[in-house]
Order: sequence, then structure tokens, then C-alpha cells
Amino acid sequence: GAVVSQHPSWVICKSGTSVKIECRSLDFQATTMFWYRQFPKQSLMLMATSNEGSKATYEQGVEKDKFLINHASLTLSTLTVTSAHPEDSSFYICSAPAGRETQYFGPGTRLLVL
Amino acid sequence: AQKITQTQPGMFVQEKEAVTLDCTYDTSDPSYGLFWYKQPSSGEMIFLIYQGSYDQQNATEGRYSLNFQKARKSANLVISASQLGDSAMYFCAMREGVEPGGSYIPTFGRGTSLIVHP
Repeated sequence: GAVVSQHPSWVICKSGTSVKIECRSLDFQATTMFWYRQFPKQSLMLMATSNEGSKATYEQGVEKDKFLINHASLTLSTLTVTSAHPEDSSFYICSAPAGRETQYFGPGTRLLVL
Repeated sequence: AQKITQTQPGMFVQEKEAVTLDCTYDTSDPSYGLFWYKQPSSGEMIFLIYQGSYDQQNATEGRYSLNFQKARKSANLVISASQLGDSAMYFCAMREGVEPGGSYIPTFGRGTSLIVHP
């Protein structure tokens, strides 16, 4: 079946550095991808909708300059956490819809900022 | 106001028993879709079952069934014959405007932690 991959699966970085997370749809094209953030024992919070060929749509309260999203092709969206701080440590997960009934999730990326 | 409400933060069930996880939703859109996902400790989100607002019958997928009560705006997940591997977080989600041109943006509930004990 369809698969969405994320890379890296986990990352540890120093405060102030930038981290790029890739989300790829492996066997289908995705004009739209979603980026979520999940804190421990909490729900998925939608951060932004990534649109191929246009600007991402950010949810209220999400800093556009902090979380840069680029949907470079029909199979790749990237999320860059700029100048990461410890409070950015979280589980980041992407998803891509494939039809109205199906949404495939990536395996997630665990970010730890020291 | 929350669009998806899961009132059970945690549930316990004995192996081989059935368990119902509650989900209520709020929408004024006549076209919507309801989903259930399983998230084990590894973090991956596993799609379990889907129910469209216009579907006449309750969705079923193997041991999973969705008890869809439209008038009550509830979409409870029923897991039959629980297995130890069913222990995980379970999230109910809704997507409004599933007709062509709809938003496709899903909203998730807070989740229910299910523990299956032997």
C-alpha cells in the first residue's frame, strides 16, 4: 500500500541550530501534506498545511518564520525548525491524503533540543 | 469548542473481551468523515477505520467496527476479541467537507489510552 516516509526518525541538536525534516510520499503524489506536532501523551496538533507549488497555510499560533515549510515537489515536503530551542522538542509527524477516505502518516520524527 | 471529544483518557480491558472507545463530534457540515487511528508506543499512526457521513451502514474492518449514531453525533470504536497488541493510544478524527473541493483538514481528539491485560 501507499507509504509515507520521514527522515530523520530522530534528531538531537543544540539550541540555536536549525533542523530539517523531510516527508516523502513513496508511491503516490501528494499536492497537500499536513504537518503535526505531538507532545507526550497529547493529541496531534495541526501546525500547517503544505501545498505543492504555493505557500503553506499555518494554523493560528504557529510561527511561520520559526517553522519553515517547503513543498518542493509532488512527493516531498520539508519542515525546517529554525533556531531550535528546548521548547521545540517534540514529536513531529507528517501525513498525506490519498483520496477522501485515506490519509497516510509518516512514522514521525522525534526532536530533542539540548 | 472542541470538534472531537474523547471522554475516556484511559481504558482497561481483559484479553479476548470487547471494548468500546467513545467519540463524539461537532460539526454543522453535512459532509464529513470520521476516522479512528491507533498509535502504539513507537509513535506511528495506524489507520483503523473510516465512516462517511452519508454511509448508511456502520463501517467494519476485521475486529474493528464503528458504531455510528448520526443523530447523537457519536462514532464509537468497538474492538472485539481484544489482543495484547491492541494496547495503544486511540485517536478519533474528523474531516469536514469531504465533497470535492472540501478542506480535507482533519481534527483529532485527545485520545484514549487502551491497556489490554491478560
